[in-house]
Amino acid sequence: DAGITQSPRYKITETGRQVTLMCHQTWSHSYMFWYRQDLGHGLRLIYYSAAADITDKGEVPDGYVVSRSKTENFPLTLESATRSQTSVYFCASLTPLNTEAFFGQGTRLTVV
Amino acid sequence: GQQVMQIPQYQHVQEGEDFTTYCNSSTTLSNIQWYKQRPGGHPVFLIQLVKSGEVKKQKRLTFQFGEAKKNSSLHITATQTTDVGTYFCAVPNTGTASKLTFGTGTRLQVTL
Repeated sequence: DAGITQSPRYKITETGRQVTLMCHQTWSHSYMFWYRQDLGHGLRLIYYSAAADITDKGEVPDGYVVSRSKTENFPLTLESATRSQTSVYFCASLTPLNTEAFFGQGTRLTVV
Repeated sequence: GQQVMQIPQYQHVQEGEDFTTYCNSSTTLSNIQWYKQRPGGHPVFLIQLVKSGEVKKQKRLTFQFGEAKKNSSLHITATQTTDVGTYFCAVPNTGTASKLTFGTGTRLQVTL
């Protein structure tokens, strides 16, 4: 099916562990984004990517790493999870003319 | 970075009442987008406004872009329970137009 999918949908991990959130899109959109959503903060940009092998920091990048070896995949890794990284994470891609962003279903991550 | 203020943060209305959310930027915008996120869901694109003073309607929803292209509003006429959710504006970053900055959102609650 065409679209943007995230996995897992739910994840519980322990403090200090590494965890990777996956994002896959089928449209070959150039731009992809990772946001985190917390109450009172709306959607905050963690990292974004303009194309394969091109990534850049967003508003809140500390503690996160991204890669984009293929256009369709944009995984987000928490190198050493902290409780402050408990959040809902959304992956998104942008249409070629920047007219619309499509979001994945989100990953609810809990760090205990 | 790009700053965008959205007000109110929360509004509770009775079904049938009108609702308006406002988005304000300190800088002139090339365009503005609006998204809706249902409880437990992901943001879904509603519309993009590009022209100064532009007004667009989608059934009971009316979107306006200010003459100076620094503010926008979303007005819902005669709210229904299906309108419940959080409404976000999103603006392109002044440095990288493809990087979207989201407002903090307005959460709308509608009761019978």
